[in-house]
Amino acid sequence: DTAVSQTPKYLVTQMGNDKSIKCEQNLGHDTMYWYKQDSKKFLKIMFSYNNKELIINETVPNRFSPKSPDKAHLNLHINSLELGDSAVYFCASSPPAFNYGYTFGSGTRLTVV
Amino acid sequence: GESVGLHLPTLSVQEGDNSIINCAYSNSASDYFIWYKQESGKGPQFIIDIRSNMDKRQGQRVTVLLNKTVKHLSLQIAATQPGDSAVYFCAENIMTSGSRLTFGEGTQLTVNP
Repeated sequence: DTAVSQTPKYLVTQMGNDKSIKCEQNLGHDTMYWYKQDSKKFLKIMFSYNNKELIINETVPNRFSPKSPDKAHLNLHINSLELGDSAVYFCASSPPAFNYGYTFGSGTRLTVV
Repeated sequence: GESVGLHLPTLSVQEGDNSIINCAYSNSASDYFIWYKQESGKGPQFIIDIRSNMDKRQGQRVTVLLNKTVKHLSLQIAATQPGDSAVYFCAENIMTSGSRLTFGEGTQLTVNP
């Protein structure tokens, strides 16, 4: 069983569209995250939720809206997609004690054309 | 803001040699560090961690060294194998500030047969 699963794995869409990426973890972790990885492989945190509550909200355009229906799920909705949104988006989760850091999903490669 | 940085964006070694990947961090308040390995098309995978009350930690074929005086972290991989080819990231966290991993820029390790 995949511990942190993201869908879709690839997403190609036109500028101006609205899209969503879904994430689910079956590890029983309380905290989930979204990271963005740019073309230079740099990983930057976007959002963090702890037990459905938003705790980290970095300087991200408000076109990006996370939603956590329960602590096992953290979805990312993006409105009015722009070329610069093209990147790989990673979902991750961590336990309360934060031992062993985060468990990452396999990523969603978003390409905006 | 402060971030974790890496020396040498690329490193090429011969199979069987030992590899050393370096990382410089700037936030002296960081007290927990993790090395991640990211293979092509996959999410970052935990390798080894170290807390600031230690200066060395060993795992299977990997050793992490922490020098708090000069804010330097290194990952040593013994008897490097082709399967070790990947991008390696160091990440830092301040445990008292909650869970918020900050990643460095990554080093691409290539193992030549």
